[in-house]
Amino acid sequence: AQSVTQPDIHITVSEGASLELRCNYSYGATPYLFWYVQSPGQGLQLLLKYFSGDTLVQGIKGFEAEFKRSQSSFNLRKPSVHWSDAAEYFCAVGAANDYKLSFGAGTTVTVRA
Amino acid sequence: DARVTQTPRHKVTEMGQEVTMRCQPILGHNTVFWYRQTMMQGLELLAYFRNRAPLDDSGMPKDRFSAEMPDATLATLKIQPSEPRDSAVYFCASGGHTGELFFGEGSRLTVL
Repeated sequence: AQSVTQPDIHITVSEGASLELRCNYSYGATPYLFWYVQSPGQGLQLLLKYFSGDTLVQGIKGFEAEFKRSQSSFNLRKPSVHWSDAAEYFCAVGAANDYKLSFGAGTTVTVRA
Repeated sequence: DARVTQTPRHKVTEMGQEVTMRCQPILGHNTVFWYRQTMMQGLELLAYFRNRAPLDDSGMPKDRFSAEMPDATLATLKIQPSEPRDSAVYFCASGGHTGELFFGEGSRLTVL
């Protein structure tokens, strides 16, 4: 069975500081990995995805994530956060050619001035 | 700009009433999902369809929930009768051939 763990429930970061959100997954085969962002009252928006190839993937809004198979991790990073990055972030794992994703519990990011 | 459209955005109803939520997937997408989001449980998969056929509805309480795709442009999620514990945000998502899921903005249901 596939599962995702996001160890941090809530992270507070200063505007302009770097951000790293952790994601660990459990999956028997090669996973498809995703990061989604949800602003209050909104749906989930895809930030980036990893299917294969280069393990460092770039996404929208200046985010990147690195797939580390040996650590079963897919951590999300941003070098310098903006106040608009305050949101909830979800990591998800799925199988190749199957859209049935398992989502982590989410990490809420607060940005302080 | 293609997007998943959900109606209603907000619904307040009384316990025992029937609730129907609708979703228009992105044109050409053949996979449609219904998720429920609550503070306690997070995102839960209720049901999903591929090419309008139900593939998995194991996450759905069968006695009161039903999901259908009458045609390729409409997916429905019905609750009858509704209960206060059904209060949540219900998301529809669709996927095509890119491996990505696109989410609607959700239907916030409050059952009094």
